[in-house]
Amino acid sequence: GENVEQHPSTLSVQEGDSAVIKCTYSDSASNYFPWYKQELGKRPQLIIDIRSNVGEKKDQRIAVTLNKTAKHFSLHITETQPEDSAVYFCAATPDYKLSFGAGTTVTVRA
Amino acid sequence: DAGVIQSPRHEVTEMGQEVTLRCKPISGHNSLFWYRQTMMRGLELLIYFNNNVPIDDSGMPEDRFSAKMPNASFSTLKIQPSEPRDSAVYFCASSSGLRAYRNTGELFFGEGSRLTVL
Repeated sequence: GENVEQHPSTLSVQEGDSAVIKCTYSDSASNYFPWYKQELGKRPQLIIDIRSNVGEKKDQRIAVTLNKTAKHFSLHITETQPEDSAVYFCAATPDYKLSFGAGTTVTVRA
Repeated sequence: DAGVIQSPRHEVTEMGQEVTLRCKPISGHNSLFWYRQTMMRGLELLIYFNNNVPIDDSGMPEDRFSAKMPNASFSTLKIQPSEPRDSAVYFCASSSGLRAYRNTGELFFGEGSRLTVL
């Protein structure tokens, strides 16, 4: 099955700086790569996703890049704000079964 | 729509007791997933239903776990007997899939049921 690895496990950034989270996957058939944000005690919520026919996608301060050859994808958050503090999960799937990374705890320092 | 609704939000029980977690997916969604989240193992898929039919239960830990989906608007996850290692947050999630086995859209999670087995 699919195996997703996520780095780093924790990330502390100064408010206004950028944050980058990287994930690798193992199954070359994977074609859907969502990113979820989970605030403390809350449910995971989709923030952005990308499909395999696209190399990059952007939504305001959030962007995701995908390199299918290298089987890795990344989340970029620019101009970080305190409300960006949360756990971020990447995921990958070739069908319905999302395999999640272990998560990255992002802390934005004021 | 109110989103995916789960109950109870918190459950504290003693080892050996039966636990039943409930889920109401978003109306119109034909795919339903049960996930378990722990610090050690992260988010694990337990079981996937498509059009009320269990498609993949390979993530169900053992026979103590069972799940049902009697209709499109209700699903249960049952643990009998419960053990301390079952303590976790259990999430139900739903999505609209145009075709069985194909993830074609966003996965919407419920608020989760936090289970503590003493």
